[in-house]
Amino acid sequence: EAEVAQSPRYKITEKSQAVAFWCDPISGHATLYWYRQILGQGPELLVQFQDESVVDDSQLPKDRFSAERLKGVDSTLKIQPAELGDSAMYLCASSIGTASNEKLFFGSGTQLSVL
Amino acid sequence: QKEVEQDPGPLSVPEGAIVSLNCTYSNSAFQYFMWYRQYSRKGPELLMYTYSSGNKEDGRFTAQVDKSSKYISLFIRDSQPSDSATYLCAMSLGGATNKLIFGTGTLLAVQP
Repeated sequence: EAEVAQSPRYKITEKSQAVAFWCDPISGHATLYWYRQILGQGPELLVQFQDESVVDDSQLPKDRFSAERLKGVDSTLKIQPAELGDSAMYLCASSIGTASNEKLFFGSGTQLSVL
Repeated sequence: QKEVEQDPGPLSVPEGAIVSLNCTYSNSAFQYFMWYRQYSRKGPELLMYTYSSGNKEDGRFTAQVDKSSKYISLFIRDSQPSDSATYLCAMSLGGATNKLIFGTGTLLAVQP
């Protein structure tokens, strides 16, 4: 069964360092999402792409976070500089499109710890 | 007040029990209601999807939506140890993928 691939699975970094996460959506999925899940909370949407274009980044802290999906396939989420409060699970998800009955598929996430 | 409220649990039940999980919400405009299951150190997986009010059944799982009360439920019959996970409710205005608002999740443990 096709899966959303994410790497690395775990990342430990020090405050003020730069970190990057990579996501490869299910083949053929035009829509890609990055979510952040803080321990004990539900996922919160950071950014949504349709192909290579950003559709919604209203919740992305743009002073330190950036996301790109240059060729409309895989995507990278970057944090620079990392802060203690960024410790969380970063989840990538994809869907074929955004029709009302589409299904969202999540990857296993990157667990970030900022020391 | 959060848009979606969910009791974080943990909820511990014996194998074979009927489990009831619930969420309340404040935005009456929500039209799409989902339940996700999340195992430890994994991403969420869609279990049930309901549009507007009513019931939906899939095997041992039943989802109910009561829009008049702004209350949704997930029932698990004949619960199994493999059902032990965190259950997240999610809802949105515009479809099962767009701008989902998640609850905090309820941690369920089914004891053999």
